[in-house]
Amino acid sequence: AQSVTQLGSHVSVSEGALVLLRCNYSSSVPPYLFWYVQYPNQGLQLLLKYTSAATLVKGINGFEAEFKKSETSFHLTKPSAHMSDAAEYFCDVSDYGRGGYQKVTFGTGTKLQVIP
Amino acid sequence: DTAVSQTPKYLVTQMGNDKSIKCEQNLGHDTMYWYKQDSKKFLKIMFSYNNKELIINETVPNRFSPKSPDKAHLNLHINSLELGDSAVYFCASSQAGGWQGASYNSPLHFGNGTRLTVT
Repeated sequence: AQSVTQLGSHVSVSEGALVLLRCNYSSSVPPYLFWYVQYPNQGLQLLLKYTSAATLVKGINGFEAEFKKSETSFHLTKPSAHMSDAAEYFCDVSDYGRGGYQKVTFGTGTKLQVIP
Repeated sequence: DTAVSQTPKYLVTQMGNDKSIKCEQNLGHDTMYWYKQDSKKFLKIMFSYNNKELIINETVPNRFSPKSPDKAHLNLHINSLELGDSAVYFCASSQAGGWQGASYNSPLHFGNGTRLTVT
């Protein structure tokens, strides 16, 4: 069974500082991994996805994530935080479930606060 | 054009009432989902349909009944609403299909949510 763990339900960084949001997964098969962002009163939007083509994945808004199989991690980073990055971030793993259909498992989310 | 749209955006109702939430996607996707997000932001899958066929039903009370008249629409009807049903409900769609159309790297496209408040 697949699962996703996001360490830290709340992360605070100063504007201009490095953003690091942690995600660890467990999966019985090589997974597909995603990061989504949710701004207040909105749905989730795709930030980036890992599909085995490259271990370092670049996404929108300057975010990137590195897949490390040995650590079963897919941490999200951004070199310099902007105020507009304040949002909820979700990591998820996609695998095949019953009948071969896509099964998506979301982490519990990390709320990013950016301090001016 | 909004890719995944759901209505209404807000729904305030009393316990015991019946209500529906509608969802439509214009992305041509085969699979649609309903998720429930609670006050702590936890996302829980409720249902998934592929080409109008129910493929995931995650221990949701029978009071919740999804209906997919065609692959572009997935509606959610809730009977006898309870206080614990208060949450934000999200519709989503993806390109993913079954074994013959498997594409597990398909991201989900979400609607903006329906905030349901039961009083």
